[in-house]
Amino acid sequence: EAGVTQFPSHSVIEKGQTVTLRCDPISGHDNLYWYRRVMGKEIKFLLHFVKESKQDESGMPNNRFLAERTGGTYSTLKVQPAELEDSGVYFCASSQDSDFSYEQYFGPGTRLTVT
Amino acid sequence: GQSLEQPSEVTAVEGAIVQINCTYQTSGFYGLSWYQQHDGGAPTFLSYNALDGLEETGRFSSFLSRSDSYGYLLLQELQMKDSASYFCAVRGGSQGNLIFGKGTKLSVKP
Repeated sequence: EAGVTQFPSHSVIEKGQTVTLRCDPISGHDNLYWYRRVMGKEIKFLLHFVKESKQDESGMPNNRFLAERTGGTYSTLKVQPAELEDSGVYFCASSQDSDFSYEQYFGPGTRLTVT
Repeated sequence: GQSLEQPSEVTAVEGAIVQINCTYQTSGFYGLSWYQQHDGGAPTFLSYNALDGLEETGRFSSFLSRSDSYGYLLLQELQMKDSASYFCAVRGGSQGNLIFGKGTKLSVKP
């Protein structure tokens, strides 16, 4: 069974540019989460999808961040326009059932650097 | 709000036992999870405690005391490959996101 995959693994962009991160969850997992870890700080929740619907987006920092999950499969997270403080590692995670959300399967992350 | 506290760094030698503590403050409690993350890798689920007591999985054990809002991860027979960051986490709701501590960096020395 393939794990959670994320693309790209690294992205370096200039302030003001746009970047789109992609996450492919484990097949059959209805729950998809986005997290971010800024250097030296904890992993912080951004948002949660159940299938194609946004269940909770309370962690999204501002309206420069837009997440979608087309057809309840893969998800994209777009940052437009990027700011310096957006730099960090963006993780995607999935879980099969909401009741088991204590066990989430994480992807390897996308390291975003905004210069 | 919700917060978790854990030591930032721990150092131990191969073959030893190490305990990583975690205290939490939550508005609602839905269990305590532990994750391992090697440098540059993905966080990987280790264990989960919903009820008080000890859960054992091989060399790793996790303990929870809900009355003390406290838990720990116990790693036995340490190996070099156990060098990693360890995160405790609680759920934001019964079916929701994880809220992580800042992580404990474990260094295992020969």
